[in-house]
Amino acid sequence: QSALTQPASVSGSPGQSITISCTGTSSDVGGYNYVSWYQQHPGKAPKLMIYDVSNRPSGVSNRFSGSKSGNTASLTISGLQAEDEADYYCSSYTSSSTLVFGTGTKVTVL
Amino acid sequence: QITLKESGPTLVKPTQTLTLTCTFSGFSLSTSGVGVGWIRQPPGKALEWLALIYWNDDKRYSPSLKSRLTITKDTSKNQVVLTMTNMDPVDTATYYCAHQPTTAWDFDYWGQGTLVTVSS
Repeated sequence: QSALTQPASVSGSPGQSITISCTGTSSDVGGYNYVSWYQQHPGKAPKLMIYDVSNRPSGVSNRFSGSKSGNTASLTISGLQAEDEADYYCSSYTSSSTLVFGTGTKVTVL
Repeated sequence: QITLKESGPTLVKPTQTLTLTCTFSGFSLSTSGVGVGWIRQPPGKALEWLALIYWNDDKRYSPSLKSRLTITKDTSKNQVVLTMTNMDPVDTATYYCAHQPTTAWDFDYWGQGTLVTVSS
């Protein structure tokens, strides 16, 4: 299985909205509603931000939202804040009953 | 409160077998639907899913590493063990274990990770 494709970097100014894409195939992203998104600050463990495409765990800011269209999932961060600067990874269930992560996106707050 | 912690060697030689232990608390691996997974991250690189074990001993492995991985659990000790054979320098990474909630395909609690370096 190949890693899901994410842009290497995305940037925005404080208060703006940014969207990170996560492209897979019909055997993973497109075939199931099991896409998750993780935030990772340097030297820290990943933190679950979105699960099942668009659900937020308790405690995660509603500035984070997820969606999916076809084989591409997206994470949108609205009202960008300095603390949002981090790496973001998507993951998806696959038709082989396994999991695959994305290539990762570095978010920079200008 | 769910916590997980990885333990094992920080340095292994090429061709050796790596054994990592995930010790957890706050949940039971005998609870229906619950799983524990392993994920690794080479320095400066992306996350890579390795393996998962469920409460019923069902196991899943990364297709690219399946021949080298074994995941087991000891429910009485609240531990999950991952072994990886024939270690290579490219396996140098931080290895994480994480909790997978019931009927889900995400990891809601993660350990702090342990850095394993493969070098002679």
